[in-house]
Amino acid sequence: QVQLQESGPGLVKPSGTLSLTCAVSGGSISSSYWWSWVRQPPGKGLEWIGEIYHSGNTKYNPSLKSRVTISVDQSKNHFSLKLTSVTAADTAVYYCARRISAAYWYFDLWGRGTLVTVSS
Amino acid sequence: QSALTQPASVSGSPGQSITISCTGTSSDVGGYDFVSWYQQHPGKAPKLLIYDVSNRPSGVSDRFSGSKSGNTASLTISGLQAEDEADYYCTSYTTSSTFWVFGGGTNLTVL
Repeated sequence: QVQLQESGPGLVKPSGTLSLTCAVSGGSISSSYWWSWVRQPPGKGLEWIGEIYHSGNTKYNPSLKSRVTISVDQSKNHFSLKLTSVTAADTAVYYCARRISAAYWYFDLWGRGTLVTVSS
Repeated sequence: QSALTQPASVSGSPGQSITISCTGTSSDVGGYDFVSWYQQHPGKAPKLLIYDVSNRPSGVSDRFSGSKSGNTASLTISGLQAEDEADYYCTSYTTSSTFWVFGGGTNLTVL
């Protein structure tokens, strides 16, 4: 049974860089899946951040593209998110999620999420 | 403002049926059968309920069903149960550069 687990600092200072990792257990990150990051500000709806294929191909939300980098480490079976120049507006629960292939547009598996607060 | 429009809240009594709408445009909901629905209980991760407009993943109750007409998709929950009380989100593929669009979410209260 494949599981996703987010990890990383829960507090980031304004103008700093948010860094999170999503560990994939029970399966290989090198399968034909796309791996995504989605966030949810407190009390608000969901926002797609971007996704990556195990080959390194990426897609990003244009509203965040200038600040976002998503990378994959096949040897560690995890993928990562970096968001630079953060502000309070980036405070959110960050989820990693899986899309089963390029032909399918839904997330069939989600991590439990991790809250990241941007504050000094 | 979310790209897909959902009612902020709906309610129903146990045993009743409710429908949640999700309205987009011809660039997303109306143009493709790539609408999916997620259930989210407080403090929990979203759970896939419906994909490709009307398909249920294995393990999801057949009380949940999806449909689409024009630019509006709908999620219907029949035989409401207390555990259905949650937030529900729709999402769709879009031809815009964002690839994905989400609804703002609908809070379901079981009276």
